[in-house]
Amino acid sequence: NAGVTQTPKFQVLKTGQSMTLQCAQDMNHNSMYWYRQDPGMGLRLIYYSASEGTTDKGEVPNGYNVSRLNKREFSLRLESAAPSQTSVYFCASRLLIGGHTEAFFGQGTRLTVV
Amino acid sequence: DAKTTQPNSMESNEEEPVHLPCNHSTISGTDYIHWYRQLPSQGPEYVIHGLTSNVNNRMASLAIAEDRKSSTLILHRATLRDAAVYYCILSIGYSTLTFGKGTMLLVSP
Repeated sequence: NAGVTQTPKFQVLKTGQSMTLQCAQDMNHNSMYWYRQDPGMGLRLIYYSASEGTTDKGEVPNGYNVSRLNKREFSLRLESAAPSQTSVYFCASRLLIGGHTEAFFGQGTRLTVV
Repeated sequence: DAKTTQPNSMESNEEEPVHLPCNHSTISGTDYIHWYRQLPSQGPEYVIHGLTSNVNNRMASLAIAEDRKSSTLILHRATLRDAAVYYCILSIGYSTLTFGKGTMLLVSP
């Protein structure tokens, strides 16, 4: 049981390059989330998917796109990376069943845009 | 989402109890109180959550004020491994989790 797995763990991009951050969970959770965390800050929500087939914008969606490929996988794409997108990116998943359940987070992807 | 207020940092000695406060004066009746923590260079991890009654689990206890405008996360015996940033979050039903800056807990041997 791996929980939430993010790939890659580290990445350096040049300004203008594109890349996709991958996230997969094996807990059969219906909801998945992408956050970013800048130094000394809390996590900010980029996009989320409440259930398979749906995606919604979070607090800071500009410059990003997402795909909920299936129930297990939720990817985050940077079409044209900018230095302001240098951050640590966390994927999370959660089972929303009407009660209040815990979210599980991946170990993060450390992205540097130069 | 209703807002929470936490101290920026707190210090404790190893094996002593730690009380981490959180104010949420605008909490609504359906808001749950969640606590997460983030160890250095890791993703956040769930600690505990509650609605009205005090809650205990293997990691910590959550004490909720009678008017629900504040809560306290209690670590009964702090260890060096408890040094982390602790986040207090309000969540309604299917809403997302909104993280503030949290409280950085420093634990001294």
